[in-house]
Amino acid sequence: QQQVKQSPQSLIVQKGGISIINCAYENTAFDYFPWYQQFPGKGPALLIAIRPDVSEKKEGRFTISFNKSAKQFSLHIMDSQPGDSATYFCAATGLSGSARQLTFGSGTQLTVLP
Amino acid sequence: KAGVTQTPRYLIKTRGQQVTLSCSPISGHRSVSWYQQTPGQGLQFLFEYFSETQRNKGNFPGRFSGRQFSNSRSEMNVSTLELGDSALYLCASRITGTEARGYTFGSGTRLTVV
Repeated sequence: QQQVKQSPQSLIVQKGGISIINCAYENTAFDYFPWYQQFPGKGPALLIAIRPDVSEKKEGRFTISFNKSAKQFSLHIMDSQPGDSATYFCAATGLSGSARQLTFGSGTQLTVLP
Repeated sequence: KAGVTQTPRYLIKTRGQQVTLSCSPISGHRSVSWYQQTPGQGLQFLFEYFSETQRNKGNFPGRFSGRQFSNSRSEMNVSTLELGDSALYLCASRITGTEARGYTFGSGTRLTVV
């Protein structure tokens, strides 16, 4: 019940295109859903995050869509750029007692072709 | 302000040895979490420390342990290393242990067990 399932595993898009990454979860106790971007040799960096009482959040070219009833959320990268080429992880967290942990999806390796 | 600092960046150890990794959180952050990243298993939660106390532990054997000091710096130790322990070990700090937001990751320590 702690799993977060992410797809696709890899994604290739042309510069200027839209990149879409999908995630699904089971644990209804999750209350915060961040997306992380990771470049080779670096740790994950927070990109954008959403709470389940919001259906969409947009920050620049990045948008999260959230469907609470379906327990799914997705990341849309508009006008994708070669510099967006990285691995993207969805994650979820919820309070268990007084503690939290991030549960990550398996990651999507995005390649944006020039 | 300075980010999360992990040392060393790279380590090569022999099977059966033990290793200690260090994490200095962002100033003012009292929660430190550790994650293991491997190509096969992805990002998995190891444990979290808050105010020198382990608050949460993932599903790892007892060979993996950690501690946190009064200045919030944390160390993790892996004893009797196995080949499968080769991974990128990431730490993340937050201001508190219960807040959902604000996980900031370091660049990790790349451990290779030969």
